[in-house]
Amino acid sequence: DGGITQSPKYLFRKEGQNVTLSCEQNLNHDAMYWYRQDPGQGLRLIYYSQIVNDFQKGDIAEGYSVSREKKESFPLTVTSAQKNPTAFYLCASSIWLAGQNEQYFGPGTRLTVT
Amino acid sequence: AQTVTQSQPEMSVQEAETVTLSCTYDTSESNYYLFWYKQPPSRQMILVIRQEAYKQQNATENRFSVNFQKAAKSFSLKISDSQLGDTAMYFCAFMIRDKIIFGKGTRLHILP
Repeated sequence: DGGITQSPKYLFRKEGQNVTLSCEQNLNHDAMYWYRQDPGQGLRLIYYSQIVNDFQKGDIAEGYSVSREKKESFPLTVTSAQKNPTAFYLCASSIWLAGQNEQYFGPGTRLTVT
Repeated sequence: AQTVTQSQPEMSVQEAETVTLSCTYDTSESNYYLFWYKQPPSRQMILVIRQEAYKQQNATENRFSVNFQKAAKSFSLKISDSQLGDTAMYFCAFMIRDKIIFGKGTRLHILP
């Protein structure tokens, strides 16, 4: 089945540690995205990548880093510089074709930092 | 700036009733797509309905339909014969090229 996988579903870390969230897709989509979701905030874009080895900052990139070495994979690192990292993180992918445009989402990772 | 506004943070309706969720957006682009996504308690984002901005005809998907008013930049979602499984957060969004912008969501409760 084609889709997006994110692992793990729940992640716990101590303050001051970097942590990497996994996102893999087998939809052959060029573009991939990371969003952060907080209560009452909707989805806020962290980073996005339109092609391999290229990515752009979204609205709230500070304290995060990404890589896009393969088309299928777009891992997100939450660094110790992120002041409030506890949140729900969603990965998505998309393709821009006439009549087929939409974003497909993974199941999300809930990160708790204490 | 490109924005999406959902003016109803939370709504409740009785099962089997019809409910309309509001959405307005702001963009200077002419070629874009509009979406309603549903996020149930599982937190999986599910596409409910999609509308191409160049199409005047309103999209429908079974019990879900939209009222797309391009000049007014309005894109409301109507849910007919609401069911308990419709209880969820609903996000309005628009997509330009490969970037999508979301509203803050409307939490919808369907009451038995």
